[in-house]
Amino acid sequence: DGGITQSPKYLFRKEGQNVTLSCEQNLNHDAMYWYRQDPGQGLRLIYYSQIVNDFQKGDIAEGYSVSREKKESFPLTVTSAQKNPTAFYLCASSIAQGPQPQHFGDGTRLSIL
Amino acid sequence: DQQVKQNSPSLSVQEGRISILNCDYTNSMFDYFLWYKKYPAEGPTFLISISSIKDKNEDGRFTVFLNKSAKHLSLHIVPSQPGDSAVYFCAAGGTSYGKLTFGQGTILTVHP
Repeated sequence: DGGITQSPKYLFRKEGQNVTLSCEQNLNHDAMYWYRQDPGQGLRLIYYSQIVNDFQKGDIAEGYSVSREKKESFPLTVTSAQKNPTAFYLCASSIAQGPQPQHFGDGTRLSIL
Repeated sequence: DQQVKQNSPSLSVQEGRISILNCDYTNSMFDYFLWYKKYPAEGPTFLISISSIKDKNEDGRFTVFLNKSAKHLSLHIVPSQPGDSAVYFCAAGGTSYGKLTFGQGTILTVHP
């Protein structure tokens, strides 16, 4: 059954620590995306990748980093430079970039203690 | 600068009646629009989309209308069911963009 897997569902970290969120897809999609959701602000794009070994900054990339070494995987690292990291993080993928529906994982809720 | 806006944070509707969710956009380069439904602690689920060459697209109980001159789109759900209660996001993109821009979302509550 194809889909997007985000793990873990809940993540707690101490302030000042980097943390990496996992995103894996078996849909054979070329494009992958990371969003952040905060109450009342909808989904804001952090980073996106159209192909392996290539990615672009979204609207709120500061304090985050990504890699795309494999087509199936697009991990997001929340660094200690991110000033307000507590949020719900969503990973998505689409067949290609451009006017295509994006398919989402079930998200990871990150809480900084 | 919010390029996609959903001005109603919430909407309450009786079961069986029509639900109308609205979305406005400012970027005239957008030519592809989508609606997503989201339950708490889950990822959004794609519902329906429309290209700018159309002004209406239907899929079962869901219809999306696009008014390009007003830069406005709406999602109609008929008849509404309690299971439709969720947050609805509109999103916009285009052939020259590699990404979608999302609205803030509207919480729909359908009362039995």
